[in-house]
Amino acid sequence: NAGVTQTPKFQVLKTGQSMTLQCAQDMNHEYMSWYRQDPGMGLRLIHYSVGAGITDQGEVPNGYNVSRSTTEDFPLRLLSAAPSQTSVYFCASRVAGGRSTGELFFGEGSRLTVL
Amino acid sequence: AQKVTQAQTEISVVEKEDVTLDCVYETRDTTYYLFWYKQPPSGELVFLIRRNSFDEQNEISGRYSWNFQKSTSSFNFTITASQVVDSAVYFCALSEASASGSRLTFGEGTQLTVNP
Repeated sequence: NAGVTQTPKFQVLKTGQSMTLQCAQDMNHEYMSWYRQDPGMGLRLIHYSVGAGITDQGEVPNGYNVSRSTTEDFPLRLLSAAPSQTSVYFCASRVAGGRSTGELFFGEGSRLTVL
Repeated sequence: AQKVTQAQTEISVVEKEDVTLDCVYETRDTTYYLFWYKQPPSGELVFLIRRNSFDEQNEISGRYSWNFQKSTSSFNFTITASQVVDSAVYFCALSEASASGSRLTFGEGTQLTVNP
């Protein structure tokens, strides 16, 4: 069972570079989301999607773009990386969209360092 | 706005001790959901429990138990007879059912270290 798959697991960028964190799930979940984890701050929601073609901002969306062209994939794009974006990023999905509050399934995380 | 507070940043215990992790939440909704997740040193996030706001019955699962008290807006987590494998960061989280997309708000996490 693959579940939620994130790539890459580790990435080092220079300030100003762009990159995409990939997230794919094989559970046919409508809801997908991206979180970042920073020491002492827990996990904070960046962007989320309740279905293909629908995305919305979370708590800390600045500097990040997302799109949802398929149910399976939810990439996170950094257009011009900044040191403040150094973090561990988690993709998560769950059954159904809208107001469902089922369990979130998380990927293994992607550790990003911006120099 | 919803908020979750885990006031205990770090807790250190000796194996076999009982330990309680505190979680206090804020919400204006009458319908909401509370969660606990475990993040072991390997880094993945493991779902432990989900509880809705209408069910205040305490729950026990093996050495784990949860105490939900709406009167004090708390959802505390107790590990009985702790083991070294319980060492991890534990996150409490809240989701308001009325919020679009039902975003999950996490607390800051509590680092639990169980020493042999």
